[in-house]
Amino acid sequence: NAGVTQTPKFQVLKTGQSMTLQCAQDMNHNSMYWYRQDPGMGLRLIYYSASEGTTDKGEVPNGYNVSRLNKREFSLRLESAAPSQTSVYFCASREGQGAWGYTFGSGTRLTVV
Amino acid sequence: LAKTTQPISMDSYEGQEVNITCSHNNIATNDYITWYQQFPSQGPRFIIQGYKTKVTNEVASLFIPADRKSSTLSLPRVSLSDTAVYYCLVGLLIKAAGNKLTFGGGTRVLVKP
Repeated sequence: NAGVTQTPKFQVLKTGQSMTLQCAQDMNHNSMYWYRQDPGMGLRLIYYSASEGTTDKGEVPNGYNVSRLNKREFSLRLESAAPSQTSVYFCASREGQGAWGYTFGSGTRLTVV
Repeated sequence: LAKTTQPISMDSYEGQEVNITCSHNNIATNDYITWYQQFPSQGPRFIIQGYKTKVTNEVASLFIPADRKSSTLSLPRVSLSDTAVYYCLVGLLIKAAGNKLTFGGGTRVLVKP
């Protein structure tokens, strides 16, 4: 099984450009999440989706939008990229209800110049 | 989730045991203690979880004293590949997807040859 797959792995954008980060999981998980991690910092939640058809804001949602396309896929869109959005973005999905059940993707390293 | 405090970094040598202590003074009765490991350029992965006393698996041991106000993650005989950031999280079994996982800064463990 692939687990959680994120594309692309690396991306450089110019300020004001838009792009969509893709995430897909093959574990039949209901919940999916988008986090960002800045250098030397922990992860901060951007948006999450408790189930197909629902999305909700996390700690740092400004400047982002999400789409839960189906049970497998959860995309993150930057409508007008800013240098402050330079970060590593992680997608995760969760099995069940426990804190142990999170599976993370390998991340997308985004640089906005 | 309860607030946690853990050292920012620790250095060790191959073959040594590494112990990382996490303080969680306001842990609630129903809270569990969960540890995640994050290798460079990868997303975090679950390594161990416990409620009280001692839990051991193939990766690590988790020691929790009777008052549960702290916990210690023990990595036996570390190798260079154990170099990673280790996150301590404390919280109730998350019953709703919206109860997102919040990561602090973690402890950066560097294993030297």
